[in-house]
This record gives sequence, C-alpha cells and structure tokens, in this order.
Amino acid sequence: SQQGEEDPQALSIQEGENATMNCSYKTSINNLQWYRQNSGRGLVHLILIRSNEREKHSGRLRVTLDTSKKSSSLLITASRAADTASYFCASASEDDSWGKLQFGAGTQVVVTP
Amino acid sequence: DTEVTQTPKHLVMGMTNKKSLKCEQHMGHRAMYWYKQKAKKPPELMFVYSYEKLSINESVPSRFSPECPNSSLLNLHLHALQPEDSALYLCASSHNNGNEQFFGPGTRLTVL
Repeated sequence: SQQGEEDPQALSIQEGENATMNCSYKTSINNLQWYRQNSGRGLVHLILIRSNEREKHSGRLRVTLDTSKKSSSLLITASRAADTASYFCASASEDDSWGKLQFGAGTQVVVTP
Repeated sequence: DTEVTQTPKHLVMGMTNKKSLKCEQHMGHRAMYWYKQKAKKPPELMFVYSYEKLSINESVPSRFSPECPNSSLLNLHLHALQPEDSALYLCASSHNNGNEQFFGPGTRLTVL
C-alpha cells in the first residue's frame, strides 16, 4: 500500500542553489527519516528526527517536522552536482513495534553544474 | 564494519529457475528487512526479521521464501517467479526496530 506523499516529484536546480522538498505522512509517528538513493543503488540514511523535535541539522541538511500537520521538509543548502539523487522520507509509526517504515513517493533532484 | 552486503549484484533467471539472494551484516543488528523496488518508486517492504524470527510478511506470494540462518545472514529464496517480479531487491538492517536502517546495494533481478 502506498505511503506518504512527497512534493515536488522532481526538482532541477543549479549548483549553489538550495533544494527544498516536502513530505506528508498519515499516522502518529515515533520518528521520521530521510534517505537518499543514487540511481539503481541502495538507500543511504541522511537524518532522523524524533516526534518531539521540530528541527534538526546535519551539515548542509536541515529537516523540520510539524506533527500537527503531519508534515516534514528537507532543505539542502548550497547544492552540489553530487547531491543529484532521489530523496525519500520514511515515517516510523508509534503503533508499529516491528520497525516498519512508510516511505514517501520520493523527490528526484537533479543538480546541474 | 558498517556495511550491508548483498549478492549477487545482478541476476537473470527464467520462470522455472530456483535462485537465492543473500544479505549479510556484521553490525550486530537484530532487525533485518527485505524490500522490493520498482523503477522510480519507493521501496516496498516484503519481510521483517526481528531476532531471527519472521515478524512481518507483507502478503508476499509464496514464490518468495525468506530465511534467516543466523543473526548476520538473510536469504531470499526465489522459485517460479514471474516477469513482473523483475525489480531491485534491497536488504536492510537496523539496531532496533524503528531506528535508522542501513541498506545494501541491492540485487537487480530480471525474470525472463
């Protein structure tokens, strides 16, 4: 069954610009995670934000969480060509004890030099 | 070692073949996962093993059979697959359920 939604579906920017993508989810969560996937490869965990946190930073990444709106955003600042990838949010429901993640549809980001 | 390895990287099989996908991690993680991913789609959870016991089976057809021989290994046995089963199969592990998951590079499966 499909999971949360992400927008935009695709994003094309130039190096040095910022990239913002949004994610919505459906259930109460323990945490929300963001992953990156380069074409045809495995997913790489970027950042985890807990339900009692509102903002988190990691290097050039900034994640916000609004549990009242069931939404999150990922901001990549000063983008680089190497940031070209698909980005997925994934929510961990507080009702699930088995670590099942609900993935969003993903945002495909292309950063041109 | 902070890596999840998967073999083979690529697999082409006929609909009557039997094959297995393998996944290994040495991070001491007690939860391991199999996902199926079609092009331009998010990963779809297939199975979850927690402490070497099957915890979740997301109504996956019986032609897919998971096995967890020990805490470091996870197999996915394939038999009588259909062309629509062609996809990227991803293995992941996590320290505890609900924490960040570490993904392997995947096996690209093509069913002819």
